[in-house]
Amino acid sequence: AQSVTQLDSQVPVFEEAPVELRCNYSSSVSVYLFWYVQYPNQGLQLLLKYLSGSTLVKGINGFEAEFNKSQTSFHLRKPSVHISDTAEYFCAVTPYNQGGKLIFGQGTELSVKP
Amino acid sequence: GAVVSQHPSWVICKSGTSVKIECRSLDFQATTMFWYRQFPKQSLMLMATSNEGSKATYEQGVEKDKFLINHASLTLSTLTVTSAHPEDSSFYICSAGTGRIYEQYFGPGTRLTVT
Repeated sequence: AQSVTQLDSQVPVFEEAPVELRCNYSSSVSVYLFWYVQYPNQGLQLLLKYLSGSTLVKGINGFEAEFNKSQTSFHLRKPSVHISDTAEYFCAVTPYNQGGKLIFGQGTELSVKP
Repeated sequence: GAVVSQHPSWVICKSGTSVKIECRSLDFQATTMFWYRQFPKQSLMLMATSNEGSKATYEQGVEKDKFLINHASLTLSTLTVTSAHPEDSSFYICSAGTGRIYEQYFGPGTRLTVT
């Protein structure tokens, strides 16, 4: 079985400050890893994904994430946040052998203050 | 490209009635569609996976007779909530897979309120 843990339910930060949203996962099989963003009353938008290769992955809107296999982590970072980054962020994994089924973390609410 | 639509975006229905939610992939063929449920301030929980032309596979604890899923074509899947009750009120989100297991696109969601 797989599980995803997002270590912070809420992250308040001031505009232009750096931010890190933490994600750890557990799986007995290899997985692909994802970060999604959800704005209020909307579906999910893919920020970035890790499939293979370089462990540092760059995504949209200036976000990046680093896959650490030994620590089973996939933390999301942005060097300077904007008010418009205020949203809910979900970390997710899909096992290689389950046809694309996504397992989500609990979500982290990023609140950017002026 | 890779746009997924859902209809309706909002629906209010009375307890005991049925509601159908449509999920369409507009510019690609979706070999697999997924239906998720999201309660306020919570994560997405997979309800079922459907492949075109075959029966949906439901996650443990999801009532298949209550949440009817049909995937009649490569661009359309429907979720029907039968005999809806207030506890079925939730945000329902579909996603459509392209065939690559690491690639799926999400619809904008449907807010269901049962009164």
